[in-house]
Amino acid sequence: AQSVAQPEDQVNVAEGNPLTVKCTYSVSGNPYLFWYVQYPNRGLQFLLKYITGDNLVKGSYGFEAEFNKSQTSFHLKKPSALVSDSALYFCAVRDRNPSSASKIIFGSGTRLSIRP
Amino acid sequence: GAGVSQSPSNKVTEKGKDVELRCDPISGHTALYWYRQSLGQGLEFLIYFQGNSAPDKSGLPSDRFSAERTGGSVSTLTIQRTQQEDSAVYLCASSLRSAEVSWETQYFGPGTRLLVL
Repeated sequence: AQSVAQPEDQVNVAEGNPLTVKCTYSVSGNPYLFWYVQYPNRGLQFLLKYITGDNLVKGSYGFEAEFNKSQTSFHLKKPSALVSDSALYFCAVRDRNPSSASKIIFGSGTRLSIRP
Repeated sequence: GAGVSQSPSNKVTEKGKDVELRCDPISGHTALYWYRQSLGQGLEFLIYFQGNSAPDKSGLPSDRFSAERTGGSVSTLTIQRTQQEDSAVYLCASSLRSAEVSWETQYFGPGTRLLVL
């Protein structure tokens, strides 16, 4: 069965330090990979996605993610955290097969808390 | 409009009542999706519309759940005879092209928070 795992419910980081939010997936083939962020009482906002090519993807607000095929991971990273980065982060995968592409499979989310 | 809008933002209902949740996608977006976000859980896919048809409704949890889309725009998710386990945030998303363009970014609305008492 296809699945996405975000092993950490919460990640706590001091402002200015680097942050990593982990994501691993179990999907057949080579899926498309996404990161979304959800601020309180707001919908999900797109951060970045991996389609093909360079394994390091750069996205909004200084975030980047590294696709690692051998480890089936797509960890979200930022070199220097800001307090305003505090939010709920979701990793998601989508099948490249058009017949099953309508579903996005989301992880359970990781709450990122940046302390001043 | 500038983004995906949903109404109402909050809905409190009594068990057994029917509710309708509305989604206005971004103008011109052909694909529309409904998701459910339960407390402490990730997002659960419910249904996908391409235009006015729903090629994939495999995520609807029971026959109490239905959805329609008219004019290739507004969509309504209806939950009949609501149960307490239906309490969740219901999110709508749209994308410019069809789901077969599966790298297409989805744009999400703010959600409707449903509480069934």
